[in-house]
Amino acid sequence: RKEVEQDPGPFNVPEGATVAFNCTYSNSASQSFFWYRQDCRKEPKLLMSVYSSGNEDGRFTAQLNRASQYISLLIRDSKLSDSATYLCVVSRDDKIIFGKGTRLHILP
Amino acid sequence: ETGVTQSPTHLIKTRGQQVTLRCSSQSGHNTVSWYQQALGQGPQFIFQYYREEENGRGNFPPRFSGLQFPNYSSELNVNALELDDSALYLCASSFLAGGPDTQYFGPGTRLTVL
Repeated sequence: RKEVEQDPGPFNVPEGATVAFNCTYSNSASQSFFWYRQDCRKEPKLLMSVYSSGNEDGRFTAQLNRASQYISLLIRDSKLSDSATYLCVVSRDDKIIFGKGTRLHILP
Repeated sequence: ETGVTQSPTHLIKTRGQQVTLRCSSQSGHNTVSWYQQALGQGPQFIFQYYREEENGRGNFPPRFSGLQFPNYSSELNVNALELDDSALYLCASSFLAGGPDTQYFGPGTRLTVL
């Protein structure tokens, strides 16, 4: 079983819709959680950190559920520019593990 | 842009050859991490250098080796290239040996092994 698992998608979503992704992790000792965004043929860029209390940044909301070992990302009022691959990242001690990513296509 | 640069941008090698990839970290950063991202996969951690010493390594064989220089730039060397080494190689720099949220990625080097 992979340590970090994501639905690879693609998610094809009309502009303006709300879309949510989940990511599960297998190691309960995981300490920190993040969502990264990666555009085609570009480097990953930090989208947001994920905290147990949940956190919001504009149209983006991230949540962590330690009991069920998953994190989520919600995108409201999606824009064409949100089309990208969203990578779930989990870290503990000196290990940083990326998920395979979920591809999102926003349709005009 | 992050200020992290990598060279070359693209590279084509044949199986069995050796390759050296380079990374210049952002000014003020003393830690460099290297990742391999195969097509359709997430980045996989290769190793990290902090103040010129290896500070953590992922599940990669010894033919993947690295160096960090006094100016904190870094090299990734891969010997005896295999077809499966074809990937995007990313470096990320940070100020301290911290987690992903402290790292800034370079644009990557795309390596093709024929």
